[in-house]
Amino acid sequence: SQQGEEDPQALSIQEGENATMNCSYKTSINNLQWYRQNSGRGLVHLILIRSNEREKHSGRLRVTLDTSKKSSSLLITASRAADTASYFCAGGLSYNTDKLIFGTGTRLQVFP
Amino acid sequence: DTGVSQNPRHKITKRGQNVTFRCDPISEHNRLYWYRQTLGQGPEFLTYFQNEAQLEKSRLLSDRFSAERPKGSFSTLEIQRTEQGDSAMYLCASSSGDYETQYFGPGTRLLVL
Repeated sequence: SQQGEEDPQALSIQEGENATMNCSYKTSINNLQWYRQNSGRGLVHLILIRSNEREKHSGRLRVTLDTSKKSSSLLITASRAADTASYFCAGGLSYNTDKLIFGTGTRLQVFP
Repeated sequence: DTGVSQNPRHKITKRGQNVTFRCDPISEHNRLYWYRQTLGQGPEFLTYFQNEAQLEKSRLLSDRFSAERPKGSFSTLEIQRTEQGDSAMYLCASSSGDYETQYFGPGTRLLVL
């Protein structure tokens, strides 16, 4: 079963606008990873943030993590049509396992 | 450097048949994972290996499913007596160790008729 929930489920914006996606999870994590998935394809890793980190940047991406609220957010700045995809957060659990627990995903549509 | 590869990319089979999928991880990655993804959902964990040892299996992995990684390199996932509910995308990932980035392959899309 999936323990993460993402909000919103779908988001439509114009090119150049920023897109923010939120992720909430239920159990303690060691890290949280964000992935992008284009329709019907594999997952592309975007960024990993560890439980002792609060914010991380990679290019146009900014990820925050609030372990007290069990939540994370992904911000894509200056979006492009090529950013159109589904975005998933995945928690790496902190107890004796290395599996990822994925959220339900946010479908982002960026209009040119 | 090549990423994770999976074969075949697509498989159509009839209910009751057996199917086998292969995953080749990024070279020198000792961790290998299998996930399953159904339409509109996020991936769900099935199992993972460290080298040739299978360390964890999900309850989703019924008796009809078996995964192996005999030499600690590539892995196979076999589904016996397929059912229509097995139709999904089967994703493989690899990583360099505990709590590290998991890199995913393109997936094998299975359709059971």
